[in-house]
Amino acid sequence: GAVVSQHPSWVICKSGTSVKIECRSLDFQATTMFWYRQFPKQSLMLMATSNEGSKATYEQGVEKDKFLINHASLTLSTLTVTSAHPEDSSFYICSASPAGLYEQYFGPGTRLTVT
Amino acid sequence: QQQVKQSPQSLIVQKGGIPIINCAYENTAFDYFPWYQQFPGKGPALLIAIRPDVSEKKEGRFTISFNKSAKQFSLHIMDSQPGDSATYFCAARAQKLVFGQGTRLTINP
Repeated sequence: GAVVSQHPSWVICKSGTSVKIECRSLDFQATTMFWYRQFPKQSLMLMATSNEGSKATYEQGVEKDKFLINHASLTLSTLTVTSAHPEDSSFYICSASPAGLYEQYFGPGTRLTVT
Repeated sequence: QQQVKQSPQSLIVQKGGIPIINCAYENTAFDYFPWYQQFPGKGPALLIAIRPDVSEKKEGRFTISFNKSAKQFSLHIMDSQPGDSATYFCAARAQKLVFGQGTRLTINP
């Protein structure tokens, strides 16, 4: 149990375009989902916390107008990178916690390359 | 105070050895301490976790030792195998997870 999926697993886009990444909890309901960014050989950096039915909470330094997060249901959250630039190229990972539990389960990640 | 300091940065152990990865924290509000295993190009996988009311937890070959007074916790991997070669992250949670810097573990055959 406790499976989180992400789609797509990798995406290449041109500078200036927008990209949407989906995160789904497959076998549990998640009132809270998290979006992380990870650069090569570095730790995970929390970008934002997404709560179903309410606005996301962004970490300091993360542009909320650039990284749009929508938590449309208890099993789906999306991250849209708007007007992507090469410096947005990274590994984006979502995670989710089953309602009422501490455990946080991660998706397989999405590799974004902006050319 | 929100930091979790993890060491060593990298570790090489022979097959069958017991790698030990250490983490330290300052924030006494942390009340949940998980360890994650990450393979290249994959998302982190929850390995084992502990709450501060116990000093040790064992799941299979993985053991967490927790020292509340010292604000330290560690991961031990018994009978390590080449397939355990991965990056390991400790974390601690108050309102959100705070991750350590990661340890790149290599198990030589």
